[in-house]
Amino acid sequence: EPEVTQTPSHQVTQMGQEVILRCVPISNHLYFYWYRQILGQKVEFLVSFYNNEISEKSEIFDDQFSVERPDGSNFTLKIRSTKLEDSAMYFCASSEANEQFFGPGTRLTVL
Amino acid sequence: GQQVMQIPQYQHVQEGEDFTTYCNSSTTLSNIQWYKQRPGGHPVFLIQLVKSGEVKKQKRLTFQFGEAKKNSSLHITATQTTDVGTYFCVRIQGAQKLVFGQGTRLTINP
Repeated sequence: EPEVTQTPSHQVTQMGQEVILRCVPISNHLYFYWYRQILGQKVEFLVSFYNNEISEKSEIFDDQFSVERPDGSNFTLKIRSTKLEDSAMYFCASSEANEQFFGPGTRLTVL
Repeated sequence: GQQVMQIPQYQHVQEGEDFTTYCNSSTTLSNIQWYKQRPGGHPVFLIQLVKSGEVKKQKRLTFQFGEAKKNSSLHITATQTTDVGTYFCVRIQGAQKLVFGQGTRLTINP
């Protein structure tokens, strides 16, 4: 069964460093998303992406964040200068209709 | 925006007991989705409800959407240890943005 994959599974970085989180959505899906979940809290929407552009973003998704689909398969989330409060699980998701398929997540720890 | 509250926040049951989680909105919802997240896992889509008064069943799980489309519930009959996890009601905002509730964390005593 097709699934969303994410790399790395864990990322540890120093405050102020740039990180890139990578996702491979399900191949025939057209909509892509990033969500984050701070430990013990609810899942929060960051951004949605369709037709090679951002379709919606939350207030969390400020100028430090960017997304890119550099080729036909990858979808990346970049955080330019990480802060302590960026520590969270980051989930990529994709969909072709109403059901969103989530990847296993990347646990980002900012020290 | 629309606020969706989910109760209870935590629920602990004995294996074999039933479990229900409730989702309430202050305003009318166009639709609602339910997701399950196992401990250490990622959210997994369970179902979408669209019609007023809709009831859908998946084996031991029963999902309901209220007549006024302001509330929804998930009921699990005869819980099993595989049911452990957090259950989220989720509303769709705009075209595709998912807005998760706080979730109900279900733990089960075998």
